This record gives sequence, structure tokens and C-alpha cells, in this order.
Amino acid sequence: ILNVEQSPQSLHVQEGDSTNFTCSFPSSNFYALHWYRWETAKSPEALFVMTLNGDEKKKGRISATLNTKEGYSYLYIKGSQPEDSATYLCASFTGGGNKLTFGTGTQLKVEL
Amino acid sequence: NAGVTQTPKFRILKIGQSMTLQCTQDMNHNYMYWYRQDPGMGLKLIYYSVGAGITDKGEVPNGYNVSRSTTEDFPLRLELAAPSQTSVYFCASSYSPGADGYTFGSGTRLTVV
Repeated sequence: ILNVEQSPQSLHVQEGDSTNFTCSFPSSNFYALHWYRWETAKSPEALFVMTLNGDEKKKGRISATLNTKEGYSYLYIKGSQPEDSATYLCASFTGGGNKLTFGTGTQLKVEL
Repeated sequence: NAGVTQTPKFRILKIGQSMTLQCTQDMNHNYMYWYRQDPGMGLKLIYYSVGAGITDKGEVPNGYNVSRSTTEDFPLRLELAAPSQTSVYFCASSYSPGADGYTFGSGTRLTVV
């Protein structure tokens, strides 16, 4: 993996469904993995910053896990609500660097 | 605490005109970034700075210039605007990107006609 890749590109779920997305990143020289939530017509907001292999973070119904050895992170949303509709971005920060490398995001639409 | 403030929120430019997008943060963050978001695309890094007096190019720097004379301000200058620069521009800052998330401004929607 040379770049940060996210899948799926988009996702439609029904209210109440649980869902998850994947972020793959280069495992070499890894330092931190960020997740952001980006609502339409707004600016991205930080959800989690994770650094350690096996890290798990949780905020309300949203949680994330990190595997630095194999270079992936999962974002989970339990009991999706319409207000969860947004694009979810992940970004990798490598040691010695000064900036994040962003994926192109997973666009989530939660329907009633 | 205002966070990251971007001005203007909207602007229409004619081809060949120039303008400066302003970005100010009051969190004493050393790291600041300018991104553009094109329709259906993700964020592309234009320029960034790791502290006052230090700037560096990102992925798409052509047609833009930046300066960082103070910790608080990181203006983005567009010279000779072109239709390809029609985009939404976001400024972001961070205390330490290895440990803290970016704080984004509310964005500037620029149209070049």
C-alpha cells in the first residue's frame, strides 16, 4: 500500500443498521491514523487520532480500531441515524513527516 | 476561542484577477495547511507551514503562493486566476499532527469566470 485507500467509496444504509468502513495505509514508518467526519457544506471535524497497534477509540455510537502491523483501520457506526450521513475521511501521518495523507473518503447515506 | 477563521466565505473572480484568501488561528498552532476540494474529489494539499517563516509546497501548488510571517496567519495568494482554480478552499491547523487532529476553517467557495 503506497497511498491511503478507503472502501467502500459510498454506502447507503437504513436507519438502525450498523455499518463499518475500511481505511488502508502504508504500515512502514507509521506514526498516527486520523478519522474525520465531513458533513455536506461544512468542514471536516476530527473524530479520532490513533497511534498504537490495537488501539480502540469510541465516541457515542462511533468507534474505530487500528492495526498498524497490517496497515488498516476500521470505523464502526452502531445503529446508524440520518444525522450520521456524511463523508468519513481517514488520514495517515508518518514519522518524520509534517502533514497528513488523506484518503478520498467513504460517503455514508442513512435513509429513514 | 474562534479556532480557524477563513475569509471571505464566497468570492467570484474574473479570469486573470488576483486575490488573497485569509486564514487566522488563535490556538497557537505551529502547523497550518491549505487544501482545495474539487467537486466529487477529496482534499488536495496546496501549501503548508510548520511555523512562522517556513512554508513548503503540497501536491498542487501551481498558481498559488503563501507566506507565514506570524504564527497566527497563513494567507493564500492566487495570482492570475484561472477557471481550473474554481474550488472550495479549506485552511487547517494543528498543534501536533502526530497526536492532535486538524482544526479546519469553514471554507472559502471560489468561482473563477
